[in-house]
Amino acid sequence: DIVMTQTPLSSPVTLGQPASISCRSSQSLVHSDGNTYLSWLQQRPGQPPRLLIYKISNRFSGVPDRFSGGGAGTDFTLKISRVEAEDVGVYYCMEATQFPRITFGQGTRLEIK
Amino acid sequence: EVQLVESGGGLVQPGGSLRLSCAASGFIFSSYAMNWVRQAPGKGLEWVSGISGSGDNTYYADSLKGRFTISRDNSENTLYLQMNSLRAEDTAVYYCARRSNSAFVDWGQGTLVTVSS
Repeated sequence: DIVMTQTPLSSPVTLGQPASISCRSSQSLVHSDGNTYLSWLQQRPGQPPRLLIYKISNRFSGVPDRFSGGGAGTDFTLKISRVEAEDVGVYYCMEATQFPRITFGQGTRLEIK
Repeated sequence: EVQLVESGGGLVQPGGSLRLSCAASGFIFSSYAMNWVRQAPGKGLEWVSGISGSGDNTYYADSLKGRFTISRDNSENTLYLQMNSLRAEDTAVYYCARRSNSAFVDWGQGTLVTVSS
């Protein structure tokens, strides 16, 4: 089974400053169809998760452009160019390459300094 | 607007059963695979089960060991999760999620299941 490891587990950030979260998979997430099914989700306090990024770098509808995703193979990154107060929450990476199984990272808590 | 509304959660004794429902609207329900994801109190997300748009194919996390059954009624736009032989470790908020392009694009608000005597 694929294991998804996120770092850091907690990230205190100053408002207006950038933030970066890493996600590493134990196996390549490149699917046999050539796509890499790695997505990022945000969960604000008391809310359900919300899709931010799919297939490594595609921003979902309505997601601010300060969020960006990148990476390849086994190493992926979510970046926030300038953190705003509403970005506080837990961020998860999720792989869907090993269909039908889905694996989530353990989550990274973003907080304001 | 896509809406997913879960119901059916509650307090149940160990060994008991519960059936969760997820009422969907705002999209062509039968065209999308649907999934259940759970989150234990203070913990991360765990995929539970998935079902194809037609309902012909179902998938489960290995850890469930045959205790849960996912199903759907496309005429009623509703997703179900039948949970049997419940254990304390099944205590969690259960979310239904719509899958598109191999991502979970929409999520419900969740329903809390508490397994306790």
